[in-house]
Amino acid sequence: GEQVEQLPSSLIVQEGASVLINCSYTDSASVYFPWYKQEPGKRLQFIIDIRSNMERKQTQRLTLLFDKKTKHLSLHITATQPGDSAIYFCSATNSAGNKLTFGIGTRVLVRP
Amino acid sequence: EAAVTQSPRNKVAVTGGKVTLSCNQTNNHNNMYWYRQDTGHGLRLIHYSYGAGSTEKGDIPDGYKASRPSQENFSLILELATPSQTSVYFCASGDAPGRNERLFFGHGTKLSVL
Repeated sequence: GEQVEQLPSSLIVQEGASVLINCSYTDSASVYFPWYKQEPGKRLQFIIDIRSNMERKQTQRLTLLFDKKTKHLSLHITATQPGDSAIYFCSATNSAGNKLTFGIGTRVLVRP
Repeated sequence: EAAVTQSPRNKVAVTGGKVTLSCNQTNNHNNMYWYRQDTGHGLRLIHYSYGAGSTEKGDIPDGYKASRPSQENFSLILELATPSQTSVYFCASGDAPGRNERLFFGHGTKLSVL
């Protein structure tokens, strides 16, 4: 079945710096890749997504890049704020569209 | 905003006991899911449902049952709880059947099996 790998597992940055989270998947038939954010003590929330027919998607300070050939995604967060401190999850939807596979998450800490 | 409510928020159970985790959604979503979150594994799918009366096995269904008596409610049942089932459990509902589905999650239930 699908496997999703995320790196790094954790990182610490100063407020204002940028963050890059890498994600790779194994099933070349996967077509949809939503990302979720889990702030401390809060529920997971959808933050951005991309389909396999796109290469780039941007919303506010988030940019998501997708390379279908290498089966790789990267999430770039610019001008980080303490509120960006959270665990970020990459995920991939299988070709049948009925299951979402998550990566192990990347814990981001933004120091003020 | 979409609302998914889990109960209880925390639960301590004894080995061999029966545990029922409940989930209620007011989004009128057809799809509902149960995941567990463990360090080093991320979220793993246990059971899911396409609608009232339906349950499907996810990636790690062993030791768990699920029940979807209505559109709003989806329960996860541990008939004979074991310490390996100590985890944080998340329920979610989905807003778009098919391949573009975004999930709405509950706050999670922290289960400790002693």
